[in-house]
Amino acid sequence: SQTIHQWPATLVQPVGSPLSLECTVEGTSNPNLYWYRQAAGRGLQLLFYSVGIGQISSEVPQNLSASRPQDRQFILSSKKLLLSDSGFYLCAWSRPGGTEAFFGQGTRLTVV
Amino acid sequence: QKEVEQNSGPLSVPEGAIASLNCTYSDRGSQSFFWYRQYSGKSPELIMFIYSNGDKEDGRFTAQLNKASQYVSLLIRDSQPSDSATYLCAVDRGTYKYIFGTGTRLKVLA
Repeated sequence: SQTIHQWPATLVQPVGSPLSLECTVEGTSNPNLYWYRQAAGRGLQLLFYSVGIGQISSEVPQNLSASRPQDRQFILSSKKLLLSDSGFYLCAWSRPGGTEAFFGQGTRLTVV
Repeated sequence: QKEVEQNSGPLSVPEGAIASLNCTYSDRGSQSFFWYRQYSGKSPELIMFIYSNGDKEDGRFTAQLNKASQYVSLLIRDSQPSDSATYLCAVDRGTYKYIFGTGTRLKVLA
């Protein structure tokens, strides 16, 4: 069966510090991978998605970047965090062909 | 206009009643429609999806799709307090991007 791992679960970072969140998927090949952000009391905002290694599509211009160095690994990064980067970050995957998406457990990021 | 719109609620229903959650979408090219449940502080979990016009049933849940009206709904029969959560509607336009509504908070009163 397929599983998705996302870490860390919680993170408190000072303004201006770097960020690296990692997500890995097991039990499937060539998944579509996604990063979403959910601000407090808000819906899910699609940040990045990837249909293959090195293929990253950005949905929202911002202080973040994503990379996919391996087939089942997706990384969200920032060089300098802003207060507005606080939120609940969710990694998700779907099978090739775009069927339903499955979410990781999420990372709650607080920028102070 | 938002791509996917939901009433934020809260929608309160008594235990055992039918809860009806609604979602509208703006892009007529949308192909797949999903309902997720999200408990407070947790990640969304998939309840069901629907591709074709009409109804699709899975246990106590029924998804209804009307593409002409650009409307999708979720019915929860015999609502339980454990169903209390935020329900997210999502749409896929066939471009591998899932666009979510802001969710409807459901409260099932014991």
